[in-house]
Formats: sequence, C-alpha cells, structure tokens
Amino acid sequence: AQSVTQPDIHITVSEGASLELRCNYSYGATPYLFWYVQSPGQGLQLLLKYFSGDTLVQGIKGFEAEFKRSQSSFNLRKPSVHWSDAAEYFCAVALNTDKLIFGTGTRLQVFP
Amino acid sequence: GAVVSQHPSRVICKSGTSVKIECRSLDFQATTMFWYRQFPKQSLMLMATSNEGSKATYEQGVEKDKFLINHASLTLSTLTVTSAHPEDSSFYICSAQTSGGLYNEQFFGPGTRLTVL
Repeated sequence: AQSVTQPDIHITVSEGASLELRCNYSYGATPYLFWYVQSPGQGLQLLLKYFSGDTLVQGIKGFEAEFKRSQSSFNLRKPSVHWSDAAEYFCAVALNTDKLIFGTGTRLQVFP
Repeated sequence: GAVVSQHPSRVICKSGTSVKIECRSLDFQATTMFWYRQFPKQSLMLMATSNEGSKATYEQGVEKDKFLINHASLTLSTLTVTSAHPEDSSFYICSAQTSGGLYNEQFFGPGTRLTVL
C-alpha cells in the first residue's frame, strides 16, 4: 500500500543545533515530494518540493531536503535551528494526481 | 503568496446540530478545493475533493450525507457537518488549488476546530 512514514514523532533540539527530519515513502514510482510546516493558528505552509532534477532542494526559511531514490527518502535538514522553527512538520507525496498524502508529522521543539 | 481563510476558527455545538464551515480563497480563484480532517497528533486525512460547480468526490469511508460539501464559486467552498456527534469532533482543514503548470499547488487554510458536546 502507498504510504508516507515519518519515524520521529517528536524531536527536541537546542537553538543553533542542526536538524534532520526523516521521511520515507512507499510507492512504485517516484512521486512528487513535499515538506510542509504547521504552526498553531496558521495554515500549512509549503517549505519545499521535489518534482525532478537536482536531488538537493532548497526551500524557504533556510531548509533543504535531499531526495534519495535508493532509500525512498526525502529528509528535511536545517544547519542551524531557530526558536521560531518550533512547529509540526509534515512530509507529503502526490503521485500523478493532485491528491496529497501526508505522513503523521514530526513535532519539533526548540530549547534556548 | 495565496491566502486561504476559514470561518469559524473554532466552533462548539450540541450533538445533533449541523455546523457549516467556510473556506475562501482571498486573492486567487480556485477551481478545486480539498477538505481534510486532522485528529490530535495524527496526519491530515483527505475527506473530499470539490470542483467549482460540480459534485464533490469523497474518499473511501467518508459519509457524503454527513459531510456535505458545496463549491458554489471559484472562491468559496463550504463543509457542513450534519447531525454532528461527539465523534465528529476534530480539526478540519481546507485547501485551495491554483490551476495550470506541472503541479497545481495547494494553499491551506488555518483550520477549524470543531467540538461536539
């Protein structure tokens, strides 16, 4: 069955530390890949997306993600986390349609 | 970027009543809108896809008679939870989709918290 897995439910990091959020998908073909951030009171915001081409994708707010076909992964990274990055992060995929399938999310907590 | 609003942001109702949630694209026209449901600490689950002027397409397991969707214009879609029960309590999120291009990006509303007593 098609699925998106985010293995880490909750991650805590210190401000200034590096961050990596994991995402794996299970599909027969390479889907379109997305990372969204959800902050309280705000709609989901698209951080970055991968359709094809360069497997290292740059997004907003200093985030980047790397698509690894061999591992069916699309991990999100940031070299130095800011307190304002505390939020819920969702990986999502779309396969030839506009329907998004979301992972279960990773809650990021940032300590000063 | 494109802005999507939802109203109300929070609603509490008694069991058996109906609740209407509005989703508006404020600065663009959306031919397609999506409705999602999010349970606490869980992912967003797509409920239905609505296209302006036509009937909504519901995902498997979603009761179309309970969750009525109307997409009367290119900027407004409504979700009505009919005869709401406590198990319908959830966070409902809509998204509006632009058209054209390789992939039509969805822009999300801030969500509506429904509590059924």
